[in-house]
Amino acid sequence: DVKVTQSSRYLVKRTGEKVFLECVQDMDHENMFWYRQDPGLGLRLIYFSYDVKMKEKGDIPEGYSVSREKKERFSLILESASTNQTSMYLCASSWDYKAQYFGPGTRLTVT
Amino acid sequence: RKEVEQDPGPFNVPEGATVAFNCTYSNSASQSFFWYRQDCRKEPKLLMSVYSSGNEDGRFTAQLNRASQYISLLIRDSKLSDSATYLCVSNSNSGYALNFGKGTSLLVTP
Repeated sequence: DVKVTQSSRYLVKRTGEKVFLECVQDMDHENMFWYRQDPGLGLRLIYFSYDVKMKEKGDIPEGYSVSREKKERFSLILESASTNQTSMYLCASSWDYKAQYFGPGTRLTVT
Repeated sequence: RKEVEQDPGPFNVPEGATVAFNCTYSNSASQSFFWYRQDCRKEPKLLMSVYSSGNEDGRFTAQLNRASQYISLLIRDSKLSDSATYLCVSNSNSGYALNFGKGTSLLVTP
């Protein structure tokens, strides 16, 4: 069974703080993804990575960066959190062009 | 234009009914298609892949029409536990990334 875990289920941060969201998968998947999901807007891709140290911008990369130092781990960084980054953040992984498997999500509130 | 478009619903159906959802995709080069299910405040979970010849998994049947660029999901004998949002998905130009529709909401009532 594919397992994708995320470091926190709920997180509350203040405006201007640096925020790290971590994701770990145990299926040796090549590809990893970070999305945010907001009511009425659906899932929006922030960044993805198809290999260690490789990254590609998704649809909404502004205000975010990522790091993939190990195959199983993909981190999302909010350099200076803002209130409009309050959202549900979902990490996913996949093998090749196959279906993606999601972690449970982190509900981030920026005050 | 959105890559994947779905009727948001909600679809309200009684238990035991048959319900069908359609979605359209804009990228004619897409090769991979999926249906995901998402429960309220939970992560999306893969329901089934969609193959060119159509495929069935228990009460669920998925169809792909490449000529018209639409995908369908049929649920037979609906259960209360089928209540969820169903996301239609196709792969993007990059191949690795997927395009998710915004979802169709289904509520199955007793």
